[in-house]
This record gives sequence, structure tokens and C-alpha cells, in this order.
Amino acid sequence: DAGVIQSPRHEVTEMGQEVTLRCKPISGHDYLFWYRQTMMRGLELLIYFNNNVPIDDSGMPEDRFSAKMPNASFSTLKIQPSEPRDSAVYFCASSFGFYNEQFFGPGTRLTVL
Amino acid sequence: SQELEQSPQSLIVQEGKNLTINCTSSKTLYGLYWYKQKYGEGLIFLMMLQKGGEEKSHEKITAKLDEKKQQSSLHITASQPSHAGIYLCGADHTSGTYKYIFGTGTRLKVLA
Repeated sequence: DAGVIQSPRHEVTEMGQEVTLRCKPISGHDYLFWYRQTMMRGLELLIYFNNNVPIDDSGMPEDRFSAKMPNASFSTLKIQPSEPRDSAVYFCASSFGFYNEQFFGPGTRLTVL
Repeated sequence: SQELEQSPQSLIVQEGKNLTINCTSSKTLYGLYWYKQKYGEGLIFLMMLQKGGEEKSHEKITAKLDEKKQQSSLHITASQPSHAGIYLCGADHTSGTYKYIFGTGTRLKVLA
């Protein structure tokens, strides 16, 4: 298996623009997690899905953030409109079962100018 | 305040030296995970501890869970430059709903 795949790896955009981050989890995994990592706040859980259903989105910072998982092999995290304070590395991770090892993707480094 | 505090925040050691990283929770632990992150990359799972007193080892890395103290320690024996990176502990503070959080991280540098 190729592991968790994220795209793009780097994204530079201007304030106010819409940003869409993509994730392909490991086949067979039933949990998918979206995290954000910054120097100030560390690694934060934004939202997670179980069998494509959002379970807990309490970590999503604002209504500008939304996430979807239309099927078991694809998820998106959208920021609209983007702001400079959204600049961070966004990670997607998947696991088989909640209490098991999470496999992380390489991350998307987002810079909002 | 952080629910998962790691100490130290950063560590520089000479190759061959032993070191310990601590992770302390302010809430009851239902599972404790250790991950390693190389700079600019994603996290790699190291090990998971679920029972008080549980101790696991992987190569030269040993982790232990003290449930009563709500604390875990990660010990590296005879450190090597390949051990350099950021070590993060993650925990599940289940209280009706799953809540997965990560610690503040410990940056480790090993001097050759």
C-alpha cells in the first residue's frame, strides 16, 4: 500500500481565496482524521470520520472550515475564505479502529499571504 | 493549559547517551501513544500503552505507562543521530466521546 496520500504537498494562496486539501486514506481503514500543526499550538485534531461519517468536528476552528468524506477512499478539507492565520501544516491520518495506530500522510504545508 | 504536557521541550545529547522524555496528562488516560516526527514530515507510530505499568520496547526505545501518575516516559538507550526528531505523545481522554489529543512535543537533537 502507498500509505496515506495527501495533495497538494505545498499550497500558497492569497487571503480570501478558497483552499481545498485532499486525502486518500489507506484502503480498509475505517477512521480518518484531519490535524493542523503550528509552532504555537502544536498538533490539533480538527475533525474525524468513522466509516465516512463525521463524528467529532469540535476542533474545527470556524465556519470557514469544512470537511467531507464522500466515500471510503477520499476526503477533503476546505477553507473558504482563507486567512493568513490559517497558515500551517495540515495532516490527514487514517486507522483501523479508533484505538489503533494512526498512519499519517506527509502533510500539506499551507501558506496564506 | 495543555492537557498533555511533555518535558523537556527540547533536548540535545551526545551520541551514545541515554535520555528520557516525559508525558504528563491532566486527565485520566485511556490509552497513550508515542509518535516520532522527522522535521517536515508526517508522524510515525512508535508504540501504544494501554494498561497501567505496561512497558514496551522497540529497538532501543522503551516506553512505560504509570496510570496512577497519569504519566508516560519514553527512554532511548545509546542514542544515535537517527533518533533525532520530534517526539509526541498522544492520548485518548474518553469521557463519553472519543477525544484524541497530542502533547506539546519534544525536539531531540543527537550530536555525532
